Amino acid sequence: DTGVSQDPRHKITKRGQNVTFRCDPISEHNRLYWYRQTLGQGPEFLTYFQNEAQLEKSRLLSDRFSAERPKGSFSTLEIQRTEQGDSAMYLCASSPGGLARGYTFGSGTRLTVV
Amino acid sequence: GNSVTQMEGPVTLSEEAFLTINCTYTATGYPSLFWYVQYPGEGLQLLLKATKADDKGSNKGFEATYRKETTSFHLEKGSVQVSDSAVYFCALSDNTGNQFYFGTGTSLTVIP
Repeated sequence: DTGVSQDPRHKITKRGQNVTFRCDPISEHNRLYWYRQTLGQGPEFLTYFQNEAQLEKSRLLSDRFSAERPKGSFSTLEIQRTEQGDSAMYLCASSPGGLARGYTFGSGTRLTVV
Repeated sequence: GNSVTQMEGPVTLSEEAFLTINCTYTATGYPSLFWYVQYPGEGLQLLLKATKADDKGSNKGFEATYRKETTSFHLEKGSVQVSDSAVYFCALSDNTGNQFYFGTGTSLTVIP
């Protein structure tokens, strides 16, 4: 068990560019979640997957954002036409199902849009 | 809707002082309550949890009791250490168990 891995740790991009982040969950966890954390705030829910199915999306997830989890293993989060307001820490978490058992969070990808 | 309100920081304490970080919540139904800790440059780590009213979660000397009558889940520690310096997040999960709602976080600095 190597924990939840996120790549890259840091990403600086110019406004208008597309970016993609990757999350590798704990292997036996069937649920995978994406959250966004802006400076001085708590994480905000974006979306979650159970296996390969995307079951819920927040209204924060505009049409410029898309997430996938092919084959129910790793997940990618893509942001198209980035804006300065997209600058944030993007956190991935996984769980074996049922929040009472708690998530395991990754260390996050910090995105800076200049 | 669901929301969490946390005591604003930053909080600075001397080593061995008593810590309280207040957390209150609004939720429909019967949420589960959590405290997470985030050390600099790291992801969030589960500190403790309580899944029903009057439950007490505890870990590493930290405690919090799920109080339904006051809708609160205050975090306490009797004697803080320098290594406890971090940001602490209160969170709840709703009945569906599909997502967390986090507070804004409270930054704690413990000085020797």
